[in-house]
This record gives sequence, C-alpha cells and structure tokens, in this order.
Amino acid sequence: TQLLEQSPQFLSIQEGENLTVYCNSSSVFSSLQWYRQEPGEGPVLLVTVVTGGEVKKLKRLTFQFGDARKDSSLHITAAQPGDTGLYLCAGAGTGANNLFFGTGTRLTVIP
Amino acid sequence: EAGVTQSPTHLIKTRGQQATLRCSPISGHTSVYWYQQALGLGLQFLLWYDEGEERNRGNFPPRFSGRQFPNYSSELNVNALELEDSALYLCASSLLPGTGELFFGEGSRLTVL
Repeated sequence: TQLLEQSPQFLSIQEGENLTVYCNSSSVFSSLQWYRQEPGEGPVLLVTVVTGGEVKKLKRLTFQFGDARKDSSLHITAAQPGDTGLYLCAGAGTGANNLFFGTGTRLTVIP
Repeated sequence: EAGVTQSPTHLIKTRGQQATLRCSPISGHTSVYWYQQALGLGLQFLLWYDEGEERNRGNFPPRFSGRQFPNYSSELNVNALELEDSALYLCASSLLPGTGELFFGEGSRLTVL
C-alpha cells in the first residue's frame, strides 16, 4: 500500500491569510492529483502534476510536485470562505492500477 | 454532458442485510472506480472495473463485490452488512485509466443500524 500523509489534518484560518498544505509519501508516483471535496459532494479534481519539480497555478492556488515525485504542496494565497473544504492529494503508482488518496486536510476559512 | 450519477443517495439497512449501490459513468468513460469514505477520513480504494472486467481490488473482505455492465455502468454489493460499513460510497469514472484523473459522483450514504 502506498501511503500518502497530509498535514495539517485540520486548518482554520481567517479570510485573507495564506496557507500551505503538504502531502508526503515514501513512494514515487507517476502523477499526483489534488482534489477538493465540499460537504455532500464528491471530490472535484483541481490539478494534475506529472514532472518532478513542476509548479502549476490555478488562480490563488499554487501546486508543486517534489523533485523526487514523492511529495507535493498546495499553497493558497489570500484564502476566501469559498476555499473551505476537504483537500485530498492522490497519487497514481508507477503501475497505475489505482489511485491512492491521502488522509485529507480539512480547511475552514472564517469570514 | 451528464456527470457521474449514483443511486440511491441514502440507504438505511440493518446488520446482516445486503446493500446494492449503482453508478452510471460519464458517457464515453469505460473505467469505474469505487471508494469508501468513512466519516472524517480519506478515501479507501475498493474496486476498479474497466471494459467489464475487475482490474484491481482494495483491501476489503469478499463480502464487498461488484460488477460492470456492457453499458459501463456498475454495481457495488455489500453482503452481511456490519455497523462499520456505514460510510459514503463514492463512484468515479475515468476516460484514461491510470492517469489519476477521476470524475466523482456525489456518493451514496449507507447507514447500517
């Protein structure tokens, strides 16, 4: 089993603050995805990173894939209440038979 | 274009009963994945079907089973329900298996009393 640990597990911040969520593993992944899940809904794909060291930006969200393709980070600038949700990282193994999900970070942005 | 649809939205069963959950993938997607999400926890991989065949299975007992139909829709069956089976069951479909880019339904919440 390829374990993906996310930190922090819970994060509560004020609107306008910046934050970073981490996703770490001892395994190498062929690609890594970040999803956001809101209450009562299924996860929604935010981004896919494939190349070690790759950085992708999605408006106020910045995603980075570690050089060794074992870890990733998600940085949110000037958080807004609409960013509230459960953030999940997920890694596709080299055999790519299935997707392993991280433990999740539950973010609350207080207006 | 319709997304992934799951039914029922909610299901209440008692211990020992059987539950059947259904999933229709996005049109054109041949891969269907099933995940279990217990309250407050991450997603645990259950089953992956592609082109009608079971391709991979997670670390769950045999009473969790399923199938994929010729139209690529899928069923998840849980026999001999136990209290700890209470969870949100998420189905996802993918156009390109193994890429990690999944499209999820809203889930079926199973409660076992």
